[in-house]
Amino acid sequence: DGGITQSPKYLFRKEGQNVTLSCEQNLNHDAMYWYRQDPGQGLRLIYYSQIVNDFQKGDIAEGYSVSREKKESFPLTVTSAQKNPTAFYLCASSIGQGTGQPQHFGDGTRLSIL
Amino acid sequence: KQEVTQIPAALSVPEGENLVLNCSFTDSAIYNLQWFRQDPGKGLTSLLLIQSSQREQTSGRLNASLDKSSGRSTLYIAASQPGDSATYLCAVKGSGGYQKVTFGTGTKLQVIP
Repeated sequence: DGGITQSPKYLFRKEGQNVTLSCEQNLNHDAMYWYRQDPGQGLRLIYYSQIVNDFQKGDIAEGYSVSREKKESFPLTVTSAQKNPTAFYLCASSIGQGTGQPQHFGDGTRLSIL
Repeated sequence: KQEVTQIPAALSVPEGENLVLNCSFTDSAIYNLQWFRQDPGKGLTSLLLIQSSQREQTSGRLNASLDKSSGRSTLYIAASQPGDSATYLCAVKGSGGYQKVTFGTGTKLQVIP
């Protein structure tokens, strides 16, 4: 079955440490997205990528970095510059940014501070 | 700046009841509107997508309507079941530039057996 796989499901970060969240899709989608979800708030966009080797900052990109070297993969690194990283991180993909097609989501990674 | 509001934040109903969830948005220049379901600790599952030119979409016991001029969408759930218990989010895709998707904060639904 086609879908989006996020790993790990739970992740713990120590002070000063960078951690990387994995997102893989086998839907052959061009566009991929990273969102952050905090209690009582809507999803907020961190980064998005419309095509391989290209990505753009979203609304809350500070303290995060991404790469898009392969169509199916869009890893997110939470750097030590992100002072409040505890949240639920969701990866999504869609056929293309300029289409009316829906976004599909992975099951998320919950990141906590040790 | 688009703002999406969902009221109420939480709703509890007895099994079998028909119910309506509300979503309002401030900018009517939208490309589409999508309703999602989110179970605890899980990602979002797409329920219905309404294009800006459409008035409603139906899937099984779910019906979503869109009124762009008033900035409102409703999700109607018929004959609710305990398995419908989840958080329901709406998301609006803008029609200009990047076509940003703005999410509401969701309505947490509990269907009591």
